[in-house]
Amino acid sequence: NAGVTQTPKFRVLKTGQSMTLLCAQDMNHEYMYWYRQDPGMGLRLIHYSVGEGTTAKGEVPDGYNVSRLKKQNFLLGLESAAPSQTSVYFCASTYFPRQSSYNEQFFGPGTRLTVL
Amino acid sequence: TQLLEQSPQFLSIQEGENLTVYCNSSSVFSSLQWYRQEPGEGPVLLVTVVTGGEVKKLKRLTFQFGDARKDSSLHITAAQPGDTGLYLCAAGNQFYFGTGTSLTVIP
Repeated sequence: NAGVTQTPKFRVLKTGQSMTLLCAQDMNHEYMYWYRQDPGMGLRLIHYSVGEGTTAKGEVPDGYNVSRLKKQNFLLGLESAAPSQTSVYFCASTYFPRQSSYNEQFFGPGTRLTVL
Repeated sequence: TQLLEQSPQFLSIQEGENLTVYCNSSSVFSSLQWYRQEPGEGPVLLVTVVTGGEVKKLKRLTFQFGDARKDSSLHITAAQPGDTGLYLCAAGNQFYFGTGTSLTVIP
Protein backbone atom coordinates (compact mmCIF):
# COMPACT_ATOMS: atom_id res chain seq x y z
CA ASN A 1 0.00 0.00 0.00
CA ALA A 2 1.22 3.48 -0.86
CA GLY A 3 -0.70 5.07 2.04
CA VAL A 4 -1.26 8.77 1.44
CA THR A 5 0.38 10.35 -1.59
CA GLN A 6 0.52 14.00 -2.62
CA THR A 7 1.15 15.58 -6.00
CA PRO A 8 3.21 17.64 -6.69
CA LYS A 9 6.03 17.68 -4.12
CA PHE A 10 7.17 21.20 -4.98
CA ARG A 11 5.62 24.09 -6.86
CA VAL A 12 6.43 27.73 -7.47
CA LEU A 13 3.60 30.06 -8.48
CA LYS A 14 3.34 33.72 -9.33
CA THR A 15 0.79 35.85 -7.53
CA GLY A 16 -2.62 35.41 -9.12
CA GLN A 17 -1.95 32.01 -10.67
CA SER A 18 -4.11 29.02 -9.84
CA MET A 19 -3.25 25.43 -9.09
CA THR A 20 -4.64 22.20 -7.67
CA LEU A 21 -2.96 19.92 -5.17
CA LEU A 22 -3.94 16.26 -5.33
CA CYS A 23 -4.13 13.90 -2.38
CA ALA A 24 -4.78 10.19 -2.82
CA GLN A 25 -5.15 7.43 -0.24
CA ASP A 26 -5.49 3.68 -0.74
CA MET A 27 -6.62 2.78 2.80
CA ASN A 28 -10.36 3.19 2.17
CA HIS A 29 -10.49 5.97 4.78
CA GLU A 30 -13.67 8.00 5.12
CA TYR A 31 -12.12 11.17 6.52
CA MET A 32 -9.59 13.31 4.71
CA TYR A 33 -7.96 16.60 5.70
CA TRP A 34 -5.87 19.40 4.28
CA TYR A 35 -3.48 21.27 6.59
CA ARG A 36 -0.92 23.96 6.09
CA GLN A 37 2.26 24.13 8.13
CA ASP A 38 4.09 27.36 8.79
CA PRO A 39 7.09 27.96 11.07
CA GLY A 40 6.06 28.31 14.70
CA MET A 41 2.39 27.66 13.87
CA GLY A 42 2.16 23.88 13.88
CA LEU A 43 -0.47 22.44 11.55
CA ARG A 44 -3.63 24.39 10.80
CA LEU A 45 -6.68 22.78 9.27
CA ILE A 46 -7.83 24.29 5.95
CA HIS A 47 -10.71 22.03 4.90
CA TYR A 48 -11.78 18.50 5.61
CA SER A 49 -14.15 15.85 4.27
CA VAL A 50 -16.12 13.21 6.14
CA GLY A 51 -16.95 11.24 3.03
CA GLU A 52 -17.28 11.23 -0.73
CA GLY A 53 -19.11 14.30 -1.97
CA THR A 54 -18.85 16.21 1.34
CA THR A 55 -16.52 18.99 2.42
CA ALA A 56 -16.33 21.40 5.35
CA LYS A 57 -14.30 24.44 6.37
CA GLY A 58 -11.53 24.25 8.89
CA GLU A 59 -9.65 26.91 10.81
CA VAL A 60 -8.10 28.74 7.83
CA PRO A 61 -10.28 28.14 4.72
CA ASP A 62 -10.07 31.54 3.02
CA GLY A 63 -8.47 31.48 -0.43
CA TYR A 64 -8.84 27.70 -0.82
CA ASN A 65 -11.45 25.37 -2.25
CA VAL A 66 -11.69 21.59 -2.09
CA SER A 67 -13.49 18.72 -3.76
CA ARG A 68 -14.01 15.06 -2.88
CA LEU A 69 -15.53 13.50 -5.97
CA LYS A 70 -14.03 10.09 -5.26
CA LYS A 71 -13.50 8.53 -1.85
CA GLN A 72 -9.81 8.04 -2.40
CA ASN A 73 -9.04 11.56 -3.65
CA PHE A 74 -9.17 14.98 -1.99
CA LEU A 75 -8.24 18.03 -4.08
CA LEU A 76 -7.14 21.40 -2.75
CA GLY A 77 -7.43 24.36 -5.11
CA LEU A 78 -5.97 27.84 -5.03
CA GLU A 79 -7.89 30.06 -7.44
CA SER A 80 -5.67 33.14 -7.17
CA ALA A 81 -2.48 32.46 -5.27
CA ALA A 82 -1.10 35.03 -2.84
CA PRO A 83 2.33 35.22 -1.15
CA SER A 84 0.59 34.53 2.19
CA GLN A 85 -0.22 31.06 0.87
CA THR A 86 3.47 30.14 0.72
CA SER A 87 3.59 27.13 2.99
CA VAL A 88 3.95 23.37 3.22
CA TYR A 89 0.65 21.61 2.64
CA PHE A 90 -0.15 18.24 4.18
CA CYS A 91 -2.97 15.89 3.42
CA ALA A 92 -4.11 13.31 5.95
CA SER A 93 -6.73 10.59 6.20
CA THR A 94 -8.31 8.53 8.95
CA TYR A 95 -10.81 5.70 9.25
CA PHE A 96 -12.58 6.41 12.52
CA PRO A 97 -15.00 9.29 12.97
CA ARG A 98 -13.46 12.40 14.48
CA GLN A 99 -15.58 11.99 17.59
CA SER A 100 -13.50 8.99 18.54
CA SER A 101 -10.63 9.48 20.93
CA TYR A 102 -8.59 6.90 19.11
CA ASN A 103 -8.19 8.41 15.69
CA GLU A 104 -4.85 8.07 14.01
CA GLN A 105 -4.26 10.38 11.11
CA PHE A 106 -2.02 9.16 8.31
CA PHE A 107 -0.18 11.96 6.58
CA GLY A 108 1.24 12.38 3.12
CA PRO A 109 4.80 13.65 2.56
CA GLY A 110 3.70 17.23 1.92
CA THR A 111 3.76 19.75 -0.92
CA ARG A 112 6.06 22.75 -0.61
CA LEU A 113 4.43 25.74 -2.31
CA THR A 114 6.08 29.09 -2.92
CA VAL A 115 4.08 32.03 -4.20
CA LEU A 116 6.18 34.87 -5.58
CA THR B 1 -4.18 32.56 19.57
CA GLN B 2 -3.12 28.93 19.60
CA LEU B 3 -5.34 26.40 21.31
CA LEU B 4 -2.32 24.25 22.14
CA GLU B 5 0.94 25.90 23.16
CA GLN B 6 4.11 23.85 23.17
CA SER B 7 7.37 24.65 24.92
CA PRO B 8 10.15 25.00 24.29
CA GLN B 9 9.87 25.87 20.61
CA PHE B 10 13.44 24.77 19.93
CA LEU B 11 15.68 22.40 21.86
CA SER B 12 19.24 21.35 21.06
CA ILE B 13 20.89 18.82 23.35
CA GLN B 14 23.79 16.39 23.44
CA GLU B 15 23.29 12.68 22.94
CA GLY B 16 22.57 10.96 26.24
CA GLU B 17 20.84 13.90 27.91
CA ASN B 18 17.27 13.85 29.18
CA LEU B 19 14.60 16.33 28.13
CA THR B 20 10.97 17.22 28.62
CA VAL B 21 8.65 19.08 26.26
CA TYR B 22 5.27 20.43 27.22
CA CYS B 23 1.88 20.91 25.61
CA ASN B 24 -0.47 23.28 27.42
CA SER B 25 -3.98 24.56 26.91
CA SER B 26 -6.76 26.28 28.82
CA SER B 27 -9.24 23.82 27.32
CA VAL B 28 -10.13 20.32 28.46
CA PHE B 29 -9.67 17.50 25.98
CA SER B 30 -11.12 14.01 25.82
CA SER B 31 -7.73 12.81 24.61
CA LEU B 32 -4.44 14.14 23.39
CA GLN B 33 -1.96 12.77 20.90
CA TRP B 34 1.74 13.18 20.19
CA TYR B 35 3.18 13.01 16.69
CA ARG B 36 6.77 13.13 15.47
CA GLN B 37 7.68 14.68 12.16
CA GLU B 38 11.01 14.16 10.46
CA PRO B 39 12.34 16.62 7.86
CA GLY B 40 10.59 16.31 4.51
CA GLU B 41 7.94 13.95 5.81
CA GLY B 42 4.49 14.08 7.33
CA PRO B 43 3.83 13.59 11.06
CA VAL B 44 3.58 10.06 12.43
CA LEU B 45 1.52 9.18 15.50
CA LEU B 46 3.49 8.18 18.60
CA VAL B 47 0.82 7.84 21.26
CA THR B 48 -2.70 8.72 22.38
CA VAL B 49 -3.47 9.51 26.03
CA VAL B 50 -7.07 9.43 27.17
CA THR B 51 -7.39 9.37 30.96
CA GLY B 52 -6.38 12.24 33.25
CA GLY B 53 -3.08 11.37 34.92
CA GLU B 54 -2.37 8.61 32.43
CA VAL B 55 1.26 7.72 31.77
CA LYS B 56 2.35 5.80 28.70
CA LYS B 57 5.83 4.62 27.83
CA LEU B 58 7.26 3.98 24.41
CA LYS B 59 10.82 2.71 24.87
CA ARG B 60 12.74 5.81 26.09
CA LEU B 61 9.75 8.14 25.65
CA THR B 62 7.32 8.76 28.51
CA PHE B 63 4.05 10.58 27.88
CA GLN B 64 1.81 11.97 30.60
CA PHE B 65 -1.67 13.46 30.41
CA GLY B 66 -2.43 16.07 33.05
CA ASP B 67 -4.93 15.27 35.77
CA ALA B 68 -7.28 17.95 34.48
CA ARG B 69 -6.77 16.82 30.85
CA LYS B 70 -5.59 20.28 29.82
CA ASP B 71 -1.93 19.55 29.33
CA SER B 72 0.58 16.85 28.50
CA SER B 73 4.30 16.25 28.64
CA LEU B 74 6.78 14.15 26.74
CA HIS B 75 9.97 13.07 28.49
CA ILE B 76 12.84 11.49 26.59
CA THR B 77 15.51 9.61 28.50
CA ALA B 78 19.04 9.35 27.12
CA ALA B 79 18.23 11.11 23.86
CA GLN B 80 19.71 9.75 20.66
CA PRO B 81 20.29 11.41 17.26
CA GLY B 82 17.39 9.35 15.90
CA ASP B 83 15.06 11.31 18.21
CA THR B 84 15.72 14.45 16.18
CA GLY B 85 12.53 15.86 14.73
CA LEU B 86 9.52 18.06 15.28
CA TYR B 87 7.23 16.91 18.09
CA LEU B 88 3.60 17.94 17.80
CA CYS B 89 0.75 17.49 20.22
CA ALA B 90 -2.79 17.31 18.87
CA ALA B 91 -6.21 17.66 20.44
CA GLY B 92 -8.41 14.62 20.67
CA ASN B 93 -10.57 15.59 17.73
CA GLN B 94 -7.36 16.22 15.79
CA PHE B 95 -8.49 19.45 14.23
CA TYR B 96 -5.98 21.33 16.37
CA PHE B 97 -2.26 20.79 16.54
CA GLY B 98 0.22 22.41 18.86
CA THR B 99 2.88 24.89 17.78
CA GLY B 100 5.55 22.18 17.83
CA THR B 101 8.91 21.57 19.50
CA SER B 102 11.89 21.16 17.20
CA LEU B 103 14.39 18.81 18.82
CA THR B 104 17.98 18.35 17.66
CA VAL B 105 20.11 15.71 19.32
CA ILE B 106 23.80 16.23 18.66
CA PRO B 107 26.00 13.11 18.49
